[in-house]
Amino acid sequence: DTAVSQTPKYLVTQMGNDKSIKCEQNLGHDTMYWYKQDSKKFLKIMFSYNNKELIINETVPNRFSPKSPDKAHLNLHINSLELGDSAVYFCASSQDTSPGVETQYFGPGTRLLVL
Amino acid sequence: KNEVEQSPQNLTAQEGEFITINCSYSVGISALHWLQQHPGGGIVSLFMLSSGKKKHGRLIATINIQEKHSSLHITASHPRDSAVYICAVSGGSEKLVFGKGTKLTVNP
Repeated sequence: DTAVSQTPKYLVTQMGNDKSIKCEQNLGHDTMYWYKQDSKKFLKIMFSYNNKELIINETVPNRFSPKSPDKAHLNLHINSLELGDSAVYFCASSQDTSPGVETQYFGPGTRLLVL
Repeated sequence: KNEVEQSPQNLTAQEGEFITINCSYSVGISALHWLQQHPGGGIVSLFMLSSGKKKHGRLIATINIQEKHSSLHITASHPRDSAVYICAVSGGSEKLVFGKGTKLTVNP
């Protein structure tokens, strides 16, 4: 059983399209995250949710909108995709409300390519 | 300048060698994390520490809070240890700030 799963694994799309990436965790964790890994392999936090509430919202274009229907799911919707959005997007989860001091469990990543 | 600096950027070793990867940070932290990213892209958390030393199998992580420095050691390295090792710190905002990673290649 996969602890943190993401769909799709690969996403190739045209500029201007709207797409969603889904994330689910079956660990019973309270906190979930979205990270972006750019072409230089540098990871950066985008969003964090705790029990369906947004707690971290980095300087991310408002074309990116996270949605947490319940604490086991955190989806990422991206409007009007741009070339610079091409990256690997990782979902992660951790147990508690002090996310920086809890072990995080990562999903396998979604490789997004915008043409 | 990144808040988290790792060295070296790239490291090539022969199987069996002792390996050290360094991480320095410039901010006060709550905890420091070491992560491993496999060649296939998956990320695994290896250690989280806020003081002292932790050991898991052939991996050892140490941290010196006063010097704002951490090291990850791998004893008796093996080709399957080949991966990118990433240091990350969490500070007052509790978000993780990542280093740029150290790419380790262990040759048989």
